[in-house]
Amino acid sequence: EPEVTQTPSHQVTQMGQEVILRCVPISNHLYFYWYRQILGQKVEFLVSFYNNEISEKSEIFDDQFSVERPDGSNFTLKIRSTKLEDSAMYFCASSEAYRGRAIGETQYFGPGTRLLVL
Amino acid sequence: RKEVEQDPGPFNVPEGATVAFNCTYSNSASQSFFWYRQDCRKEPKLLMSVYSSGNEDGRFTAQLNRASQYISLLIRDSKLSDSATYLCVVNGDDKIIFGKGTRLHILP
Repeated sequence: EPEVTQTPSHQVTQMGQEVILRCVPISNHLYFYWYRQILGQKVEFLVSFYNNEISEKSEIFDDQFSVERPDGSNFTLKIRSTKLEDSAMYFCASSEAYRGRAIGETQYFGPGTRLLVL
Repeated sequence: RKEVEQDPGPFNVPEGATVAFNCTYSNSASQSFFWYRQDCRKEPKLLMSVYSSGNEDGRFTAQLNRASQYISLLIRDSKLSDSATYLCVVNGDDKIIFGKGTRLHILP
């Protein structure tokens, strides 16, 4: 069964450093997403991406964050200058279709990257 | 009122019992609804979509009540492997919102 993959599984970084989290969505999916989950808290939507541009973003997704699809398979989340409060699990997800189109909008999640900012 | 609200639990239920939990949402324009399960320190995994007419998948039944703005999940004949956190997900016009989840412990 096709699945979303993410690398690395864990990342430790110093405050102020840049990190890039990588995801390989399911190959025939067209919509990609990033979420974060701070330990013990709920999953929070960050951004959705379609056709090489951001579709929607939340208030969390400020100028420190950017996303890119550098090639036909990878989807990346960059945090430019990490803060302590960026420590969280970051999940990538993908779907065939977008919200409101009931068929194919199911999102499949990758296993996550646990980011720890020291 | 919170956008998506769930009873955090935990629900401690003996194996074989039936358990149900609800999720309420505040945006009446919400378009689609899902239940995901999340095991400790793992990614959310889709359990089932929730359709207006209600739907069933084996031991799991999901219902949507648009008038009262809630969705429900019923688990029959619960198994030890059902122990997890169950996340309600609501897709609105401009937001994808997860509930905080309901923790379920199935007791042997």
